[in-house]
Amino acid sequence: EVQLVQSGAEVKKPGESLRISCKGSGYIFTSYWINWVRQMPGKGLEWMGKIDPSDSYTDYSPSFQGHVTISADKSVSTAYLQWSSLKASDTAIYYCATLSATVTVPHYWGQGTLVTVSS
Amino acid sequence: QTVVTQEPSFSVSPGGTVTLTCGLSSGSVSTSYFPSWYQQTPGQAPRTLIYSTNTRSSGVPDRFSGSILGNKAALTITGAQADDESDYYCVLFMGSGTVVFGGGTKLTVL
Repeated sequence: EVQLVQSGAEVKKPGESLRISCKGSGYIFTSYWINWVRQMPGKGLEWMGKIDPSDSYTDYSPSFQGHVTISADKSVSTAYLQWSSLKASDTAIYYCATLSATVTVPHYWGQGTLVTVSS
Repeated sequence: QTVVTQEPSFSVSPGGTVTLTCGLSSGSVSTSYFPSWYQQTPGQAPRTLIYSTNTRSSGVPDRFSGSILGNKAALTITGAQADDESDYYCVLFMGSGTVVFGGGTKLTVL
């Protein structure tokens, strides 16, 4: 069974750094791109970017380029989303998912990580 | 910037059929965009219903179907049930490698 298991909820202060994770299991981790999706309170889904775990090639949404960093460690089947300096506006639920432009890759979702940034 | 359009809200009667659409602010949606559909209920992670236009995700009932209707992608729900009341999101995969979600449709079953 394919699973994406995300790290737990975080409470941070503005200006702090953070890295959240998404661990894949039940499949060959390097086979599927990992995407990150933001959902701000009461709002819709926003695509942030994606990574190919086989070579760590990344694509970012222009809206998030330069604000977050997506990385992956294939040795532990885990993708990461990180911030160097959080803002209150980063408060949201973040999902990882294997979204892909191909008929051969199902779209699996992680359970989400709630990030709260507050002074 | 590319905008993916969805109806903000829709209502359907129990047992009825509803078609939600996913369009582009400029241009037509085709299978080349691999349109995909997700269902989300409050407090839950999104659930994949349809990917690559019309491929039903494992475990999804066949009353959910995806297609291209005219210049838009479409999600049709036949025999709507009370627990279909959810938010529905479409996504399009752009040739540039980026991905764009629609704003979502809030479906009411009443």
